[in-house]
Amino acid sequence: KNQVEQSPQSLIILEGKNCTLQCNYTVSPFSNLRWYKQDTGRGPVSLTIMTFSENTKSNGRYTATLDADTKQSSLHITASQLSDSASYICVVSANTGGFKTIFGAGTRLFVKA
Amino acid sequence: EPEVTQTPSHQVTQMGQEVILRCVPISNHLYFYWYRQILGQKVEFLVSFYNNEISEKSEIFDDQFSVERPDGSNFTLKIRSTKLEDSAMYFCASSNYRTGGNYPGELFFGEGSRLTVL
Repeated sequence: KNQVEQSPQSLIILEGKNCTLQCNYTVSPFSNLRWYKQDTGRGPVSLTIMTFSENTKSNGRYTATLDADTKQSSLHITASQLSDSASYICVVSANTGGFKTIFGAGTRLFVKA
Repeated sequence: EPEVTQTPSHQVTQMGQEVILRCVPISNHLYFYWYRQILGQKVEFLVSFYNNEISEKSEIFDDQFSVERPDGSNFTLKIRSTKLEDSAMYFCASSNYRTGGNYPGELFFGEGSRLTVL
């Protein structure tokens, strides 16, 4: 069954610190993996997208990694800011020619001053 | 920057009533989607729409749901007879390429329409 699991479920860090969020997936055949940021009550906003051949992608202070062999991805946030407080969602698409995207439950990040 | 817009932002309805949620996708995009997020739960795929027809739908998208692109710019989701469990945030999204495949399209989401069924 195609699944996306994220950890931790929630995380509290101090402003200025770094953190790493994890995503494990069982989607097959794999097409791409995306990380989104979702503020409470808002729509998800894309951070990165990686295909099978890519193992790292950066977007400002956000760096995503992908290990397609172990089916794991991570999102590293550097020098966190209060505005980074949000849910971070891992989304995986299968390469079946279809359109379905499978969402993880997200990691809720709280950045404290 | 182009964006996906959704109306209404919040709708309250009585159980059994019909609801239409509206979306204006990004103008040069070809693929359109509806997703649902029940409060506190993960986002779930409902349906994708391409070339004026449904290309894929999930188990959630039963006969109570329908989608339409009535005029070349709007993309609507209709729920014929709402149930309490339809209460959720509904997100519209669009992309210029399909989300799977070797050249996946960037998926842009609207801000959502919150549906409350009483």
